[in-house]
Amino acid sequence: GAGVSQTPSNKVTEKGKYVELRCDPISGHTALYWYRQSLGQGPEFLIYFQGTGAADDSGLPNDRFFAVRPEGSVSTLKIQRTERGDSAVYLCASSLTGISGTQYFGPGTRLLVL
Amino acid sequence: DQQVKQNSPSLSVQEGRISILNCDYTNSMFDYFLWYKKYPAEGPTFLISISSIKDKNEDGRFTVFLNKSAKHLSLHIVPSQPGDSAVYFCAAIRNSGNTPLVFGKGTRLSVIA
Repeated sequence: GAGVSQTPSNKVTEKGKYVELRCDPISGHTALYWYRQSLGQGPEFLIYFQGTGAADDSGLPNDRFFAVRPEGSVSTLKIQRTERGDSAVYLCASSLTGISGTQYFGPGTRLLVL
Repeated sequence: DQQVKQNSPSLSVQEGRISILNCDYTNSMFDYFLWYKKYPAEGPTFLISISSIKDKNEDGRFTVFLNKSAKHLSLHIVPSQPGDSAVYFCAAIRNSGNTPLVFGKGTRLSVIA
């Protein structure tokens, strides 16, 4: 079966631009997570969806970051007015049940803001 | 403030020997711990986990030990194989509180043939 997929795999943008990162979770997984991994760090939690609703968005660094999951499957992470400090690998994960379930990660989107 | 700490950024081990990766945590509310393995350009892959009610969990060559009083856990890989070379992340969660996974910074393991 297909795992978690993320597109694009790489994204280069200019400071101030808007970007969208897409995540396709494993079919049937109700929970979806976004993490950000900077160089030399572990993944850092951004936001968690249970179904269509954001159950916990406490990790979003500021209001330039927003995520949606309108039909409870695919999710999009949106970053407005990108800054060089946003450069990182953005990881998506999904799990069958809630947040205590084993999370399966996608390969990530490597974002570079010039 | 790092709640999950992996103090060794890297570790080199000879093939066939034991690899021991260590992890410390500060939040006593964590009650479930996981190890993830990551190859370059791939997402982390779940390896093994342990609940706080246990002190050991074994799966093939991989064993995780938990010392709650010391807030310390370790991952043992025996025997180590070249394919085990990867970055290993320790993660913790407060299961009962529906809080997100908290990861350490990772340890890069190199198994030398």
